[in-house]
Amino acid sequence: QKEVEQNSGPLSVPEGAIASLNCTYSDRVSQSFFWYRQYSGKSPELIMSIYSNGDKEDGRFTAQLNKASQYVSLLIRDSQPSDSATYLCAVYLGSNYQLIWGAGTKLIIKP
Amino acid sequence: DAGVIQSPRHEVTEMGQEVTLRCKPISGHDYLFWYRQTMMRGLELLIYFNNNVPIDDSGMPEDRFSAKMPNASFSTLKIQPSEPRDSAVYFCASSDNFSGNTIYFGEGSWLTVV
Repeated sequence: QKEVEQNSGPLSVPEGAIASLNCTYSDRVSQSFFWYRQYSGKSPELIMSIYSNGDKEDGRFTAQLNKASQYVSLLIRDSQPSDSATYLCAVYLGSNYQLIWGAGTKLIIKP
Repeated sequence: DAGVIQSPRHEVTEMGQEVTLRCKPISGHDYLFWYRQTMMRGLELLIYFNNNVPIDDSGMPEDRFSAKMPNASFSTLKIQPSEPRDSAVYFCASSDNFSGNTIYFGEGSWLTVV
């Protein structure tokens, strides 16, 4: 059973602090890793993708991948109330459209 | 491009009725996906098409669900007969590949079966 695990939260973070979201996956052949943001009542939208070990930064967002430990994380610096959303982790296995989704972590940024 | 267009946005129907959800993918995208999202089960892939051909329908919950893609710009997801447990948000998404980095979701169809 291929699985992607996320803590459902809610994760409450004060405004201006760093929010850290984590995701673990079970299948070692996983190739690509994605973070999607979903506002309440809206559809998921891609915010970060990462393909190799290490860090990838994009503005206030940093994705971190550790394939040996099978986890991927998303850091949000200088958290803003507009970052309050559910963050979905998705893992692509590289064949037959095996894009496996986590259940999402609800993030609340407190002003 | 207008993005992935879904209709209806909201539907409330009585148990036993037929429900048809519609989707227009982004022009040029070869892949079309139907997802269902609930609080309990999260985001589930129901079926996906490549070049209008259904490739994997293993996520379709039962025979009451069917999906078609008669051409590159239109797809339907049909539930007949509908049941209260079908209440969910149904997302259509399209992509020009299936690696996950170019998948675009429609705004969803919110279905309530009473």
